[in-house]
Amino acid sequence: EAEVAQSPRYKITEKSQAVAFWCDPISGHATLYWYRQILGQGPELLVQFQDESVVDDSQLPKDRFSAERLKGVDSTLKIQPAELGDSAMYLCASSFLPKSTDTQYFGPGTRLTVL
Amino acid sequence: AQSVTQLDSQVPVFEEAPVELRCNYSSSVSVYLFWYVQYPNQGLQLLLKYLSGSTLVKGINGFEAEFNKSQTSFHLRKPSVHISDTAEYFCAVSENDYKLSFGAGTTVTVRA
Repeated sequence: EAEVAQSPRYKITEKSQAVAFWCDPISGHATLYWYRQILGQGPELLVQFQDESVVDDSQLPKDRFSAERLKGVDSTLKIQPAELGDSAMYLCASSFLPKSTDTQYFGPGTRLTVL
Repeated sequence: AQSVTQLDSQVPVFEEAPVELRCNYSSSVSVYLFWYVQYPNQGLQLLLKYLSGSTLVKGINGFEAEFNKSQTSFHLRKPSVHISDTAEYFCAVSENDYKLSFGAGTTVTVRA
């Protein structure tokens, strides 16, 4: 069964450093999502791509976060500089259609710890 | 604006007992409702979703949920749980096919 791949699974960094997370969606899925899940909370959408275009980045802290999906396939989420409050699980998901009613398939996530 | 409240943060339950996870939402328009499960060290997986039609929705692994518009609820149930149902469960809502808003989650711990 096809899965969403994410790497690394775990990342420990010091504040003010740069970090990057990678996601490879299910083949054929044009829609890709990045979520942040703070401990004890549900996932919160950071950015949504349709192919290589950003559809929604209203909750992305653009002063330090950036996301790209240059060829409309895999994607990278970057934080620079990292802050203590960025410690969280970063989840990537993909779907065939850009609709919430279309099933989103999630990767295992990257757990970020900022010291 | 849409929001979701999961009324129980933790639910301990014995194996083969029934379980109910409560979810309430607030929205001023029509909504779509979802339950996702997150097993330890894994990503979220869709259990079931309500889009329209019958208010009783059946999902995977023996779970079902009932949409109650008057009470703005979408509670999840399973008549008999297994050890393998130990996980975190998330209720989510979407207004008009826009983005998902997730609740804070309910941790279910099944004990023998």
